[in-house]
Amino acid sequence: SQQGEEDPQALSIQEGENATMNCSYKTSINNLQWYRQNSGRGLVHLILIRSNEREKHSGRLRVTLDTSKKSSSLLITASRAADTASYFCATEKWQGAQKLVFGQGTRLTINP
Amino acid sequence: EPEVTQTPSHQVTQMGQEVILRCVPISNHLYFYWYRQILGQKVEFLVSFYNNEISEKSEIFDDQFSVERPDGSNFTLKIRSTKLEDSAMYFCASTGLRDRGRGYTFGSGTRLTVV
Repeated sequence: SQQGEEDPQALSIQEGENATMNCSYKTSINNLQWYRQNSGRGLVHLILIRSNEREKHSGRLRVTLDTSKKSSSLLITASRAADTASYFCATEKWQGAQKLVFGQGTRLTINP
Repeated sequence: EPEVTQTPSHQVTQMGQEVILRCVPISNHLYFYWYRQILGQKVEFLVSFYNNEISEKSEIFDDQFSVERPDGSNFTLKIRSTKLEDSAMYFCASTGLRDRGRGYTFGSGTRLTVV
């Protein structure tokens, strides 16, 4: 299996604090992507980091990738109540067909 | 912003009935996918479709499942004889050429309930 675990499974913080979610995977990858899912809704692509990149920023999001440890982290700074959602990491490997393989996700709750 | 459109948003069907879930991917995308998410669980890959044929399928995608791109626009998932355990949210997704630095675009999903 390509994918591993995300931790924590659930995270609850106060508005304004930073939220960090971690993801581990098992095999070599071409890129790792983070998606957000509001309750019962579709998945929205947040950010993609290639296997030769170590860090990437997009607005309040910061993603790191450590291919030696096969792990990634997503940091959301200055959290807002609207950031409440589930966050999934997904890995992509171009071996034959390309596809995303998702982790279990982290349920993030931002308390106002 | 281009969207992936899925219909219907909800479908309730009797066990043993056939269902067809419909998707309109983004027009200039090349790769099309179906994923499913059982309530409270992770998103699972079902099938990928490229150049008018299945490029990969998971163990979940057995003989009861089929996909079609009948008219160059729609992309459908058919479940021939639904089972209770097919109840899930089904997501269609599409993406373009490799390594364009962009992710996949997902539809809003079809919630399938088998009773």
